[in-house]
Amino acid sequence: EVQLVESGGGLIQPGGSLRLSCAVSGFSVSNNYMSWVRQAPGSGLEWVSILYSSGSTYYIDSVKGRFTISRDNSRNTVYLQMNSLRAGDTAVYYCARSMNGIVDYWGQGAVVTVSS
Amino acid sequence: DIRMTQSPSTLSASVGDRVTITCRASQSVSIWLAWYQQKPGKAPKVLISKASNLESGVPSRFSGSGSGTDFTLTISSLQRDDFATYYCQQYHTHLYSFGQGTKLEI
Repeated sequence: EVQLVESGGGLIQPGGSLRLSCAVSGFSVSNNYMSWVRQAPGSGLEWVSILYSSGSTYYIDSVKGRFTISRDNSRNTVYLQMNSLRAGDTAVYYCARSMNGIVDYWGQGAVVTVSS
Repeated sequence: DIRMTQSPSTLSASVGDRVTITCRASQSVSIWLAWYQQKPGKAPKVLISKASNLESGVPSRFSGSGSGTDFTLTISSLQRDDFATYYCQQYHTHLYSFGQGTKLEI
């Protein structure tokens, strides 16, 4: 059975850092395209970052230089390191597998709230 | 980056209606366009890929069309279970992107 389980969310002050984890079972993160997609309260979906099986990474402009996506193949886990957090980063962050461009598996979401 | 624009943002309809949602890309995405349905508190579910390819298990009342920059999602006869928010998503470039969503309400 495929499962993606996020952890690491919480309340953080502006300027702070958080690391989200996505523990995967049922497939290998090293062979798949893994992404983080976020959804701000009452808003739509925003594709934040993608990590290709090749190791290439891409980010939306608003998080470039602040967020880093990575994976630990031995733990079969994907991470999103978020630094210099802003109020606008407040959202539910979903870990997702995107095979052939479409997301076929999603995590349950991790809530990140940036507020003083 | 490719910007995806959906219209309308909100659509009021009734059970049995035929509805169409449009999605426009800021540059060509060829056929690399998917449609998702999202219900409150849930993760999205893919309905259509490659602009017109119905995903397994998705009812045939859903259909997609288009290529290049202009796409549509049509629901031929609305069922109560279809009231949700719909998103288009392009996967033509390295970093994918969603439209802002269309909320389909009664």
